[in-house]
Amino acid sequence: KAGVTQTPRYLIKTRGQQVTLSCSPISGHRSVSWYQQTPGQGLQFLFEYFSETQRNKGNFPGRFSGRQFSNSRSEMNVSTLELGDSALYLCASSPEGRGNTIYFGEGSWLTVV
Amino acid sequence: SQQGEEDPQALSIQEGENATMNCSYKTSINNLQWYRQNSGRGLVHLILIRSNEREKHSGRLRVTLDTSKKSSSLLITASRAADTASYFCATDADRWSGGSNYKLTFGKGTLLTVNP
Repeated sequence: KAGVTQTPRYLIKTRGQQVTLSCSPISGHRSVSWYQQTPGQGLQFLFEYFSETQRNKGNFPGRFSGRQFSNSRSEMNVSTLELGDSALYLCASSPEGRGNTIYFGEGSWLTVV
Repeated sequence: SQQGEEDPQALSIQEGENATMNCSYKTSINNLQWYRQNSGRGLVHLILIRSNEREKHSGRLRVTLDTSKKSSSLLITASRAADTASYFCATDADRWSGGSNYKLTFGKGTLLTVNP
């Protein structure tokens, strides 16, 4: 079974631009969540989707948004990029998102210059 | 905010020795998961232990959970150079109710270095 797949793996953007990251969960998993990892703040929860509905959202500004499609694939978007948005963005999936093992992808490295 | 706090922040040992990492958390949990992260890579799931379990084993890994002390420990026996990585504990800090509000809260991790 293929794992969680994230694209692109690396990208460089300019301040003020916007970026879209993609995530394909493990087949059969309907819960997809996103995390941001930075040296200063560590791993922080962004949001979680289940059956195309956002069920929970972390404490991030509205510039961070996401969505989930009917095939459970998910995208997250960051608009008006700031230097502080440079981070490793990790996508995770699980069968239901409630008390089950959560599996992570390799992440997307975003550098904002 | 960080729910879990790993201790120590960094640990350096020789190959063949055992490594013990601890995690403390603040609120009631449904389960606790341990992950490994090699530099610049994603998180690899190691073990999930539920709040009604006290100990779990997986190969060279042993995890304990003490809900009265709100703490967990990860023991890696007979360590190898390939075990060099950061280790994180993550808690499900929100009790499920109605099928919503699930997320993991991570500690800052323990950087384990195993010297050959």
